[in-house]
Formats: sequence, structure tokens, C-alpha cells
Amino acid sequence: KAGVTQTPRYLIKTRGQQVTLSCSPISGHRSVSWYQQTPGQGLQFLFEYFSETQRNKGNFPGRFSGRQFSNSRSEMNVSTLELGDSALYLCASSLGRRQYFGAGTRLSVL
Amino acid sequence: AQKVTQAQTEISVVEKEDVTLDCVYETRDTTYYLFWYKQPPSGELVFLIRRNSFDEQNEISGRYSWNFQKSTSSFNFTITASQVVDSAVYFCALNYGGSQGNLIFGKGTKLSVKP
Repeated sequence: KAGVTQTPRYLIKTRGQQVTLSCSPISGHRSVSWYQQTPGQGLQFLFEYFSETQRNKGNFPGRFSGRQFSNSRSEMNVSTLELGDSALYLCASSLGRRQYFGAGTRLSVL
Repeated sequence: AQKVTQAQTEISVVEKEDVTLDCVYETRDTTYYLFWYKQPPSGELVFLIRRNSFDEQNEISGRYSWNFQKSTSSFNFTITASQVVDSAVYFCALNYGGSQGNLIFGKGTKLSVKP
């Protein structure tokens, strides 16, 4: 069974731009969660989608948004990028309580 | 408030030494789940173990063992006879109640195992 796939693996953007990251969950998993990892703040929960609906949301500004499609694939979007958005963005899919993580997308904002 | 504390930021050991990674959690929920994940330099988080709040049995898996104590709100992880391949960042995480998709992570402990 294929694991969680995140694309792209690396991104370089400039301040003010927007970016879209993609996550394909493990087949059969309907829940997808997103996390931001930075050296200063560690791993922080962004949001969770289940059956195309946002089920939980972390404490991030509205510039961070997401969606989930009928095939459970998910995208997250960050608008008006700031330098502080530079991070590793991890996606996880789950069946029950155990989450399976992708390799992440490393975003650099210049 | 829900919180996970990993007080050890970095640990360095020599191969074959035993090492224990500490994890202390806070939650008001009676039903919760605790996890350990390993993050190698590649970045992907690798699942190691899950424990629910009703199961205080310790667990051993090869060189890895976990000690869950509700009385001290701790879920410590021990690697016996450490190897260079164990070098990674280890995260303890908490999932509680109805918030199924939300893992609360500790800051992680970076383990370096030297040959």
C-alpha cells in the first residue's frame, strides 16, 4: 500500500506570494491532518479534514486554509506569505487514532 | 490545558549504552492516547507506539520499551543497547477525547548515538 504522498517536496517563494501544497492520503483513509514544523515552535497542528469537512482547526491566522476533495486528497493554501511561514509542512492521514505521516513539503519564504 | 513536555532537548550517548527519553503530559480528559514518533533527517515522522489511557501495561518491542505511569503523567521511552541508526529526533505526542485528528507534540529530543 502506498504511503502518504506530499507534493512538492521543496518550494521557494517570496513574501506576499501564495502557495498551495498537496497531500494524497493512504488509500481508504478519510481523515487528513496538517502540521507546521519550525525550529522555534516545533510541531503545531494546523487543521484536520474528514470527508471533505474541516473537523478541527489549530490556532493559525486565516491566511492558512485547506480543503479536501471527494477522493480524500487534501490541499492547504497559504496566502500573503510571510518570512515566518518558512517551515516543514507535514500531512498525515489516519484511520482511527493512528496518524501516518508524509515526508513533508519544505517551504522557504525569501 | 493539554500539553506535552520533553525536558531533554538533546542527548548524546555512545553505541551500546541504554538511553531513556522522558515525556510528561497534561490533560483533563480521562480518555486520551499517547504516542512516540521518530523523525530521521529525511523529515518523515515514523510511528513507534500508541497507548490509550486505560492501558498502563508497559511494552517492549525489541530494543525499545515504554513505561506508562498515570500517577506521574509520564510516558517514558527506553532504547536498550543503542545503535547509530537510532540517531534521530524523538517526539512524544498526545491525542485526547473528541479531537481525533489533532496531535499535541512535545518539542522533541534529539538523540545522537556515536560509534
